[in-house]
Amino acid sequence: DGGITQSPKYLFRKEGQNVTLSCEQNLNHDAMYWYRQDPGQGLRLIYYSQIVNDFQKGDIAEGYSVSREKKESFPLTVTSAQKNPTAFYLCASSRGLAGINTGELFFGEGSRLTVL
Amino acid sequence: GQQLNQSPQSMFIQEGEDVSMNCTSSSIFNTWLWYKQDPGEGPVLLIALYKAGELTSNGRLTAQFGITRKDSFLNISASIPSDVGIYFCAGRASGSARQLTFGSGTQLTVLP
Repeated sequence: DGGITQSPKYLFRKEGQNVTLSCEQNLNHDAMYWYRQDPGQGLRLIYYSQIVNDFQKGDIAEGYSVSREKKESFPLTVTSAQKNPTAFYLCASSRGLAGINTGELFFGEGSRLTVL
Repeated sequence: GQQLNQSPQSMFIQEGEDVSMNCTSSSIFNTWLWYKQDPGEGPVLLIALYKAGELTSNGRLTAQFGITRKDSFLNISASIPSDVGIYFCAGRASGSARQLTFGSGTQLTVLP
């Protein structure tokens, strides 16, 4: 079945360590996204990518980095510069940013990061 | 960026009751989406709206794209226990960077 796979589902990290969250999709979607979710808040956009080897900062990119070397993959690194990294991270994809139907995002199951 | 207000923040209802929630934006939107999120999972798309005034149903769910293009409503009829979860609206503004803005969510609890 087509879908978006995030791993790991749960991750614990010590302060000062970088950690990378994986996101893979086999939907042949052009665009991929990373969101952060905190309790009682909506989803906040960290980074997005419209095409391979290109990505843009979202609203809260500080302390995060991404790469888009393959269409299927969009890993997110939470660096030690991120001051409050404990959160639920969601990866999503869509067919692209152009066109009437491309607002529809398909989400992975999320990765919960806890900093100890 | 765009502001998107979703209300209510939480709801407690009896099984069988109807539910209504809404979102309003500070900008004109050309797309409204409604998602449901179960605990510990990613959001799942329920309904997508693309035209002002559009009314779309998905089973017991009905959503409308407001004619002002600054609001949207989601109604759930005859609620059942599996309706429990967080419902998010999301919209995309005309002429923006074409990214979605999400509401803060409505936490729905269905009491037996």
